[in-house]
Order: sequence, then structure tokens, then C-alpha cells
Amino acid sequence: DVKVTQSSRYLVKRTGEKVFLECVQDMDHENMFWYRQDPGLGLRLIYFSYDVKMKEKGDIPEGYSVSREKKERFSLILESASTNQTSMYLCASTTYGQPNYGYTFGSGTRLTVV
Amino acid sequence: AQTVTQSQPEMSVQEAETVTLSCTYDTSENNYYLFWYKQPPSRQMILVIRQEAYKQQNATENRFSVNFQKAAKSFSLKISDSQLGDTAMYFCAFMKRTHQGMNYGGSQGNLIFGKGTKLSVKP
Repeated sequence: DVKVTQSSRYLVKRTGEKVFLECVQDMDHENMFWYRQDPGLGLRLIYFSYDVKMKEKGDIPEGYSVSREKKERFSLILESASTNQTSMYLCASTTYGQPNYGYTFGSGTRLTVV
Repeated sequence: AQTVTQSQPEMSVQEAETVTLSCTYDTSENNYYLFWYKQPPSRQMILVIRQEAYKQQNATENRFSVNFQKAAKSFSLKISDSQLGDTAMYFCAFMKRTHQGMNYGGSQGNLIFGKGTKLSVKP
């Protein structure tokens, strides 16, 4: 089974800090995604990457950046954390070869910015 | 642009009974996939069932089945013999079918989610 691992389950950070959320997948998937999940708003796409060093903005990229230096790792960066970035963050991956399998998700990082 | 609508923010069902979650979508595409994901309190998003639009037969996975109405752009999920472990958020999702094996950029083929339905199974 594909595994998508997010490095932290819970994080508490201070306003203005630079925050790194890490995601690693172990099945050589080309595509990786970062979502933000908030009650009543569902999942909103922040950034995605379809190859190493490639990235594209999703629906809500403001205040975030990403890094994909290796195929298996996709990092989400909050350049200067703000309280409105308190949320659940989900990482996901998928492969071109089996799009009908959908995405495989990590177990999420709940970030609180104080 | 494609949209996915789940009109029921919350639902509840008694254990052992049947419940149906609604999902509608809007697209001009003819080839696509539809999915239902489950997110229990543990937060792990789990794929429940998937449907390929070119297949007329409704998908079934054990107690989970779908009613796929392509013309009506409807994709409801039926859970039979509900169990306490079915308590979760359920998300309907749409993915445009792209040409397999080809590299692509942009948002083609990205998964588009509804806002979710919170299902509570009561003992």
C-alpha cells in the first residue's frame, strides 16, 4: 500500500514564525498536493506538484510556498505564520498511471498559530 | 470549471439502517471519475468507492454502493446496515480523465471536492 506520511500530527507555532510542514510518499508517485481543510469549507487546494522542482498554485496559495527537491518529498512552507492559517493541512499523492485510484492522503497536521 | 455540491451538511442514521448521501456535480466533460472518501475522527482520508463515468453499472463495495446518474450529474452514496464505525465526514469528489501516461501541467486531472457531509451513526 502507498503510504503518505506527514511529519507532525499537531503543531503549535507563534505568529510570524516560518513553518515547515513535511510530507513523504513511498510509491514513486509523480503528483503531490497540499490541501487545507476547514469546517464548512471542505478541502481547498493550496499548491500541487507534478514533478520534481515543478509546482503550481492551487486555489488559495497566498501566504504559502512549497518545495519539491526530491520526488518523494513535498514541503509546505508558511513564510510568516498568521492566526488565520490555523487549520488542518492534508498532503496527498497520486500517479498518472492509475488516475482512477484517486489520491492517497496523509493523516493530516493540525496547525495552531497563536 | 467543475463544481461538486453536497447539499446535506449533516445526517444521522440508526445503527443497522440504510442512509443515502447526496452529491451533484457540474461539468462539460464526458470522461471523468467520481469518488467518495471517508474521513473518520482519526482524520485519515480513506477511499470508499469510485466510479468511472463511461461505465453504466453502479459501483459497489460491500455495504457501500452508488447511484450514478450521468445525465442528471448525480452521484449518491448508499450505506447499508450502518455501523458505528461509519461515523465520519464523507466527501464526494470529481476528477477529469486525462490521457494516461502523459505528463501534464496545470490543474487538469486534479481532484475537486464537495464540502462534505457529517454522518453520525447512532446506537
